[in-house]
Amino acid sequence: NAGVTQTPKFRVLKTGQSMTLLCAQDMNHEYMYWYRQDPGMGLRLIHYSVGEGTTAKGEVPDGYNVSRLKKQNFLLGLESAAPSQTSVYFCASSYSLAGGIEQFFGPGTRLTVL
Amino acid sequence: ILNVEQSPQSLHVQEGDSTNFTCSFPSSNFYALHWYRWETAKSPEALFVMTLNGDEKKKGRISATLNTKEGYSYLYIKGSQPEDSATYLCASPGSTSYGKLTFGQGTILTVHP
Repeated sequence: NAGVTQTPKFRVLKTGQSMTLLCAQDMNHEYMYWYRQDPGMGLRLIHYSVGEGTTAKGEVPDGYNVSRLKKQNFLLGLESAAPSQTSVYFCASSYSLAGGIEQFFGPGTRLTVL
Repeated sequence: ILNVEQSPQSLHVQEGDSTNFTCSFPSSNFYALHWYRWETAKSPEALFVMTLNGDEKKKGRISATLNTKEGYSYLYIKGSQPEDSATYLCASPGSTSYGKLTFGQGTILTVHP
């Protein structure tokens, strides 16, 4: 099993450009999450999904959109990238939304916005 | 927003040293506390998920304790090895039973040979 995979691994954008980050999981997990990680800060939840066709806002959703058209995929879009969105983006999944269940993470996408 | 704090922010130890670091969280309406290890260029990986006050979990040389009444958890590494070098993250869903985790800022551990 590949677990949680993310593409691309690295990307450099210019301000105003758009891009989509893809997250895929092969564990048949219902729940998926997008986080961003910035130096000196913990992972912060951007958006999450409780199932195919559903999405919800997390702690820092502004400037991002998401879609969950298939259970195994969770896409994160940046419509007009800004330097403040330079970060490492992690996708995660879990089989339950219960707070006592571990989340499985992808390897991250390092995004730089110039 | 839930306040999850970790200390220290970074730690340098020599190979063979034992070390520990702290995660503090609100003690009211506690539900669970997660510990993850994140090695550079790899995926963060769950170490422990703890739910009961007084709980102690162990995985090899790494162990963790939980005090929900005072709102802290300790992570211990016995006989640190260079491969233990990583960022250690704790996270909590707060009082909710749902998995929207709030993470601490992490403790960066460097073990020198």
